[in-house]
Amino acid sequence: DTEVTQTPKHLVMGMTNKKSLKCEQHMGHRAMYWYKQKAKKPPELMFVYSYEKLSINESVPSRFSPECPNSSLLNLHLHALQPEDSALYLCASSHSPGRTNTEAFFGQGTRLTVV
Amino acid sequence: KNEVEQSPQNLTAQEGEFITINCSYSVGISALHWLQQHPGGGIVSLFMLSSGKKKHGRLIATINIQEKHSSLHITASHPRDSAVYICAVRSRDKRGGATNKLIFGTGTLLAVQP
Repeated sequence: DTEVTQTPKHLVMGMTNKKSLKCEQHMGHRAMYWYKQKAKKPPELMFVYSYEKLSINESVPSRFSPECPNSSLLNLHLHALQPEDSALYLCASSHSPGRTNTEAFFGQGTRLTVV
Repeated sequence: KNEVEQSPQNLTAQEGEFITINCSYSVGISALHWLQQHPGGGIVSLFMLSSGKKKHGRLIATINIQEKHSSLHITASHPRDSAVYICAVRSRDKRGGATNKLIFGTGTLLAVQP
């Protein structure tokens, strides 16, 4: 199984809503990532979890709240988002940097629209 | 100046043509990735390289560590190869170890016409 599964695939939410994006992998990867991608731009790193602990937060606004409940799951909780937060949110996973093979595997993304 | 530069930004080819996409980087890396993204879709990892050359089907990736340059070649291109191809490098920390950070190039939009 070399899949990273993201749900939902599409999400439309109002600026007062609370929603969550989910990501799951069963490759034994202990590094998991959230990226934000705007149209025609490369992905921008948001958060990195290493061994279920937050290791990188790229100065992301607090309306985005990541959570890593176990080594296979990664969530991104959304609250009071702005229309400019509309984007494709990508989850990725890899072995941790100390391992030989650190190939990154990406999910299909969640297309988020904030109205 | 971006730490990872790709060229060309846009590429149109006729079916069957040999295609080359280039990537240059200015930071120390532990590995370089070539990724493929179809419009509106997720990202697929094509190759991860730290030296030399890799081949998978019609795709070939090479890297020259001394020159900090990598190329992705597509032989006998097909319309289904139309996608954005992204070069990304895994950076090194101050002690020379790999980090959890991928630095992305801006991508090359490839259109292969029948």
